[in-house]
Amino acid sequence: NAGVTQTPKFQVLKTGQSMTLQCAQDMNHEYMSWYRQDPGMGLRLIHYSVGAGITDQGEVPNGYNVSRSTTEDFPLRLLSAAPSQTSVYFCASSYYPGAYEQYFGPGTRLTVT
Amino acid sequence: TQLLEQSPQFLSIQEGENLTVYCNSSSVFSSLQWYRQEPGEGPVLLVTVVTGGEVKKLKRLTFQFGDARKDSSLHITAAQPGDTGLYLCAGGNDYKLSFGAGTTVTVRA
Repeated sequence: NAGVTQTPKFQVLKTGQSMTLQCAQDMNHEYMSWYRQDPGMGLRLIHYSVGAGITDQGEVPNGYNVSRSTTEDFPLRLLSAAPSQTSVYFCASSYYPGAYEQYFGPGTRLTVT
Repeated sequence: TQLLEQSPQFLSIQEGENLTVYCNSSSVFSSLQWYRQEPGEGPVLLVTVVTGGEVKKLKRLTFQFGDARKDSSLHITAAQPGDTGLYLCAGGNDYKLSFGAGTTVTVRA
């Protein structure tokens, strides 16, 4: 099993550009989530999904969209990139939400200039 | 404002010494998880504790969940350079995990 995969590994955007961060898992997990990690602030939840077709907002959802058309994929879209979105983004999945082990991808380092 | 406060923020010790990392909150959690993250990688789960007062041991690592399920600690005995990393605690309720800011541990050989 590949586990949780994320692409790209690195990305540089100009302010105002849009892009999609890809996330896929092959463990048949129902629950998937996106976090951003900034120095001194730990991981903050952006959006999450408890199954295909169901998504909800986390702690810092503004400026991001998600969709979940399949169990395997959970892409994160930046609508109009801003320098404040410079961060490392992690996708995670688990069998069940909340209290269960989260399996994290390797992350995408995004820089917005 | 961080829902979970971790202390200390940084810890540098000599190989063979012991260390303790603390995770505190004013909120009650149904579970508390500890992760370790190495540079350039995603966090990896070390342990999940779910019962107030619970103590779990994983080789040289001891994890404790407070009686009121608001705080936790991670104790490492005889630390080794391989223990170096960012340690994150995370509290779980409903569908969400809330993370602390992390403790960066450096173990010098």
